[in-house]
Amino acid sequence: SAVISQKPSRDICQRGTSLTIQCQVDSQVTMMFWYRQQPGQSLTLIATANQGSEATYESGFVIDKFPISRPNLTFSTLTVSNMSPEDSSIYLCSVLTGGPNTGELFFGEGSRLTVL
Amino acid sequence: KQEVTQIPAALSVPEGENLVLNCSFTDSAIYNLQWFRQDPGKGLTSLLLIQSSQREQTSGRLNASLDKSSGRSTLYIAASQPGDSATYLCAVTADKLIFGTGTRLQVFP
Repeated sequence: SAVISQKPSRDICQRGTSLTIQCQVDSQVTMMFWYRQQPGQSLTLIATANQGSEATYESGFVIDKFPISRPNLTFSTLTVSNMSPEDSSIYLCSVLTGGPNTGELFFGEGSRLTVL
Repeated sequence: KQEVTQIPAALSVPEGENLVLNCSFTDSAIYNLQWFRQDPGKGLTSLLLIQSSQREQTSGRLNASLDKSSGRSTLYIAASQPGDSATYLCAVTADKLIFGTGTRLQVFP
């Protein structure tokens, strides 16, 4: 298993500002992901955070809006840039333990973001 | 394109009932399936992981089955308790992890 800490747990932000969410894992993991969960919806994968290289973004998500850092195997950050009310969501960090096709996914507690 | 559907979307039952949550997926070429629990405003807690070669997994009062050929998984909860109230999500792993739509469960005393 893996223990994942996310900060902040929640925040209220003004339109046009940016917020950086931190994700810390208690062990080294290869695969780390960022998800978004909009109100009343299921989870949508934003990107895979790659250590030492640029993140791999899913369709509909771009680096300018959601820059991601992954300086080592236990830490990553997601920035939500130039926020609008539509960005109000829970943002979740997750890690995969075990093999890429057989491993188990673990999640942080999430960061609930409200944009006014 | 893989699509994952969960039925019912919401369920309300009295304490003590045994219940079944359903998860369907359109592409049977999966590596594994995972069931999660999510409390309101919180992250996801992993409940059970079933590899594609397995047919079921058990943990306490929870039992999950997998039928790859028919594209179905069920999560069986025995003797439900109010503390089981949460949203339950299934997710399948193929080329990426795809989440289902979730079942919101309420167990009342």
